[in-house]
Amino acid sequence: DTGVSQDPRHKITKRGQNVTFRCDPISEHNRLYWYRQTLGQGPEFLTYFQNEAQLEKSRLLSDRFSAERPKGSFSTLEIQRTEQGDSAMYLCASSPRHSSGSMDNEQFFGPGTRLTVL
Amino acid sequence: AQKITQTQPGMFVQEKEAVTLDCTYDTSDQSYGLFWYKQPSSGEMIFLIYQGSYDEQNATEGRYSLNFQKARKSANLVISASQLGDSAMYFCAMRDSGGYNKLIFGAGTRLAVHP
Repeated sequence: DTGVSQDPRHKITKRGQNVTFRCDPISEHNRLYWYRQTLGQGPEFLTYFQNEAQLEKSRLLSDRFSAERPKGSFSTLEIQRTEQGDSAMYLCASSPRHSSGSMDNEQFFGPGTRLTVL
Repeated sequence: AQKITQTQPGMFVQEKEAVTLDCTYDTSDQSYGLFWYKQPSSGEMIFLIYQGSYDEQNATEGRYSLNFQKARKSANLVISASQLGDSAMYFCAMRDSGGYNKLIFGAGTRLAVHP
């Protein structure tokens, strides 16, 4: 297993277009997170999946954003009618089911998708 | 609300020297977890070290150690024997108490290691 992968790594789009990002977590990790990171800031939580269920969404996730995780494997994040303010790095992370071991709290991050909206 | 504060936007260190990156946190929880991640220019977040609030000893992982002072609510990262490859952004994070283990990050510190 080579870790969390994300596709594409870079996306340039025009304002108003729709974009979709994909995240493939580490196999057997049932927890999947999406974060957004703007320039000069730390990542901010967007949404969380446990298996195929989307259990939490941040208020940052406006109606133009939608995320899915069919069959509890890969996940997609779609942004409709993109705006220049959507330009950011979109990070995906996965982690195994919580257990008593402290290291199981670790989230493993993918390389991110850098979105530029012109 | 939980919050992570990193007051050093940038730090410089000479190769082979030690450097301390500051992190303070705010939480009303008794049980919590603190993390440090490294983000090179490639963008990927790399886990460095974890400290649980009930851990009696400061966490260490190779050249990384965490100076955990619970009463002061600080969790500073110490990097010993700095290497050129340590140049990157460093983020302190806390596990959110609301469940699901999502992370709350600070604004980060950019570390530059000079030869």
